[in-house]
Amino acid sequence: AQTVTQSQPEMSVQEAETVTLSCTYDTSENNYYLFWYKQPPSRQMILVIRQEAYKQQNATENRFSVNFQKAAKSFSLKISDSQLGDTAMYFCAFMIRYGGSQGNLIFGKGTKLSVKP
Amino acid sequence: DVKVTQSSRYLVKRTGEKVFLECVQDMDHENMFWYRQDPGLGLRLIYFSYDVKMKEKGDIPEGYSVSREKKERFSLILESASTNQTSMYLCASNFWGRANEQYFGPGTRLTVT
Repeated sequence: AQTVTQSQPEMSVQEAETVTLSCTYDTSENNYYLFWYKQPPSRQMILVIRQEAYKQQNATENRFSVNFQKAAKSFSLKISDSQLGDTAMYFCAFMIRYGGSQGNLIFGKGTKLSVKP
Repeated sequence: DVKVTQSSRYLVKRTGEKVFLECVQDMDHENMFWYRQDPGLGLRLIYFSYDVKMKEKGDIPEGYSVSREKKERFSLILESASTNQTSMYLCASNFWGRANEQYFGPGTRLTVT
């Protein structure tokens, strides 16, 4: 069975500093996608960043970047220059790719990040 | 902008009632999903639909059913609500390649008393 583990239920960071959220996953498959989603308090969940397993280069979206270690099955999210608006629940998610189709998104339990002024 | 709306933000129902949660998306997405979000458990997939009148079970379908009569609308039905179905329910949609970004609704917080 595929699983996603986020070992940090809660984290906090000072504004303007850098924080890294960890995520590990377990699968025997070789082709898959990895995602980080953000759910701000009382607001809709949005996609932060996405990584395709066959790509060695780590994905980057502005202040958000990932450290994808395929052999270690690790997919951490780094937030640089943290802003108050980054306060949210962050979910790591994983999806297997089957030829021309895909499986379902499997989510971790989430990490609650608080950015302090 | 993609918009996914859910019929209610908060809902309180009694045990045994039939409950309908509605979701509408305006981007002509083929796929629609219903998730349940519980503290410490993350999101779990209840059902999804990849086309009108098509549905597939997710990880926790027991006690739920769904309906998709029109492409833009996906309903989650609790035939006989129970207290253990008290939760946050999230709807999402995306284009046919499910690795495409899923767009989420604001959620419905359902309390069953």
